[in-house]
Amino acid sequence: KQEVTQIPAALSVPEGENLVLNCSFTDSAIYNLQWFRQDPGKGLTSLLLIQSSQREQTSGRLNASLDKSSGRSTLYIAASQPGDSATYLCAVGTGSARQLTFGSGTQLTVLP
Amino acid sequence: DGGITQSPKYLFRKEGQNVTLSCEQNLNHDAMYWYRQDPGQGLRLIYYSQIVNDFQKGDIAEGYSVSREKKESFPLTVTSAQKNPTAFYLCASSPGTSGLLGQYFGPGTRLTVT
Repeated sequence: KQEVTQIPAALSVPEGENLVLNCSFTDSAIYNLQWFRQDPGKGLTSLLLIQSSQREQTSGRLNASLDKSSGRSTLYIAASQPGDSATYLCAVGTGSARQLTFGSGTQLTVLP
Repeated sequence: DGGITQSPKYLFRKEGQNVTLSCEQNLNHDAMYWYRQDPGQGLRLIYYSQIVNDFQKGDIAEGYSVSREKKESFPLTVTSAQKNPTAFYLCASSPGTSGLLGQYFGPGTRLTVT
């Protein structure tokens, strides 16, 4: 059974710092990997989607990488801002409908 | 405005009552999903549907039921058989039937059962 782990569970950084969030998964037979952001009490906002054949995706200050063979993905956030404070969730897609298996998230706080 | 809507935002029920959560999308997406989120945890898949009139159980389907009579609607019923129904429920949809283009989420419904 696929298991997804996110480390660290919580992270606090000063504004302007570059940071890396980690995601690992136990079964490398994935179709895609998706990073989400969740604000308190809200739904999920999709940040980046990486297909299994891709190595990375970029959107603005965000860059996500995927190493399927080692079962790892990282989300890099450049020049962090207080507005980046949220929980970041990693999910891998498996099965006929690319059902997502989620990690427990990293709660990020960016201090002004 | 295109998107996924879930209603209501907050729902309160007494133990032993069935309750139905609404999920509607106007994105013309084929696949729809229901997830449950408990405090401090990631999401767990309850049910999913790739086409109208067809749906599949996810990891934690016991105590839940769904229907998919229309492409744009995928309601979830939480039955009295669900032992711990209090949670945050999230609906998602995906273009096509394969989920290859990623999943996109609604705002969620917080259900409290007392």
